[in-house]
Amino acid sequence: AQSVTQLGSHVSVSEGALVLLRCNYSSSVPPYLFWYVQYPNQGLQLLLKYTSAATLVKGINGFEAEFKKSETSFHLTKPSAHMSDAAEYFCAVSDSSKANTGNQFYFGTGTSLTVIP
Amino acid sequence: GAVVSQHPSRVICKSGTSVKIECRSLDFQATTMFWYRQFPKQSLMLMATSNEGSKATYEQGVEKDKFLINHASLTLSTLTVTSAHPEDSSFYICSAFSDRGRLYEQYFGPGTRLTVT
Repeated sequence: AQSVTQLGSHVSVSEGALVLLRCNYSSSVPPYLFWYVQYPNQGLQLLLKYTSAATLVKGINGFEAEFKKSETSFHLTKPSAHMSDAAEYFCAVSDSSKANTGNQFYFGTGTSLTVIP
Repeated sequence: GAVVSQHPSRVICKSGTSVKIECRSLDFQATTMFWYRQFPKQSLMLMATSNEGSKATYEQGVEKDKFLINHASLTLSTLTVTSAHPEDSSFYICSAFSDRGRLYEQYFGPGTRLTVT
C-alpha cells in the first residue's frame, strides 16, 4: 500500500523567502515520487519527479526536492519565493514496479502556498 | 511534451441529465487512462482506471453504473455521468499513461468543471 502525507494544508511565506513544503510517503515498494502544482481551475503541472536516480531532484521554476529514504520524505523547496508561486501543491507517490503497466498515483491532500508581498 | 486535452472545460447541466466528458491524448497513444475527481480545496481522488479495449476498474465506493467509462481507442477515453445530481458537481481530471518512452509519468488533462443544478 502507498500513501502520502503533506504536513501543513496552508503555508505562507514572504516574497523572497525560502519555500518549504513537506511530504512524507509510505510505500512497501521502491517509490516514484512527484510534485505537482495546480493553479485555480486548472489541471496539474509536473514540477519534478524522483525515479530512483539522483536523490536531489531539480524541477521547473527553481524548485527542487530531496528524496530521503531514511526519513521517508520528499520535501519541496525553493530558495526565494515569487508571487507567481502562489498555488496549490500536491505530492504524489506511485509504484515503481508497475512502471511499464500503468501507474496509479496516490496524492496527498495538498498544500496551499500563499506568498506575501 | 505529451499533451492531454479534455472537453468540455466547463459544463452546467440539470439534475437528472447525463453528461459526457472526453479525454484525449493528442500526440501519443495512451494504453491506460485514469479518471480523478477533485472537490473544492481537496485532493484528487482516483475514480477508475481505464485500459484500451477492456472494462474500466473502479475504485471502491465509485458507482460504475453512474460513472460510465469507455476507452475505445488509444487516444480517447470518455466519462459519462449518468442521471447527474448536485452532489456530482466537481472538478474531473483525466490522465493518460503511455508505455513508450517515459514509463513512469502520467500526463494530466486540464480538467472539466461540472456543475449540476
